[in-house]
Amino acid sequence: GQQLNQSPQSMFIQEGEDVSMNCTSSSIFNTWLWYKQDPGEGPVLLIALYKAGELTSNGRLTAQFGITRKDSFLNISASIPSDVGIYFCAGRTYFGNEKLTFGTGTRLTIIP
Amino acid sequence: ETGVTQSPTHLIKTRGQQVTLRCSSQSGHNTVSWYQQALGQGPQFIFQYYREEENGRGNFPPRFSGLQFPNYSSELNVNALELDDSALYLCASSTALEGAETQYFGPGTRLLVL
Repeated sequence: GQQLNQSPQSMFIQEGEDVSMNCTSSSIFNTWLWYKQDPGEGPVLLIALYKAGELTSNGRLTAQFGITRKDSFLNISASIPSDVGIYFCAGRTYFGNEKLTFGTGTRLTIIP
Repeated sequence: ETGVTQSPTHLIKTRGQQVTLRCSSQSGHNTVSWYQQALGQGPQFIFQYYREEENGRGNFPPRFSGLQFPNYSSELNVNALELDDSALYLCASSTALEGAETQYFGPGTRLLVL
């Protein structure tokens, strides 16, 4: 099945650093979502984006819906240990269609 | 408020067997979606149930089937298990009218097929 391309695949950073990751698709999406998944848990929604060009923040997290509707970006500022995990983007084609297409994931590790 | 729960947490089956996975949706949610997450991959949409009827299906063969009950809990059934069916199976519940952003995921059932 289709999966969105996320980069980087993994990141090793020090506590306090900023993080940037992105997600690209060959198809247009009308909604972009960012999730975080911890070991042994299901994905937890971080940010939802509904309009092309939209920039939305949730605490230290900021995400943008690309103008082309084929990409999205997530930034995490001043990383802390609990930011460790796998981050997934997900796209939805139209409102009312619950099917989410997920990205391949970005694994974030914080080096002590 | 009770979150999404799934059972069992882990399961080991052999090739050719059948398996049933269960999901209890979050209180007040009438829609359940099932996803398969292979190791190192993102979740892949299997199907969704709304008011006991299938409401959308991903690229999975007919041996993947499901049910939704009047209390909105759901089952995922997989027949004739194959080695590639080994994965984490996630269910997510939501209220249909509010859209996918309200999907709450359970912890998943990890299935190993030998």
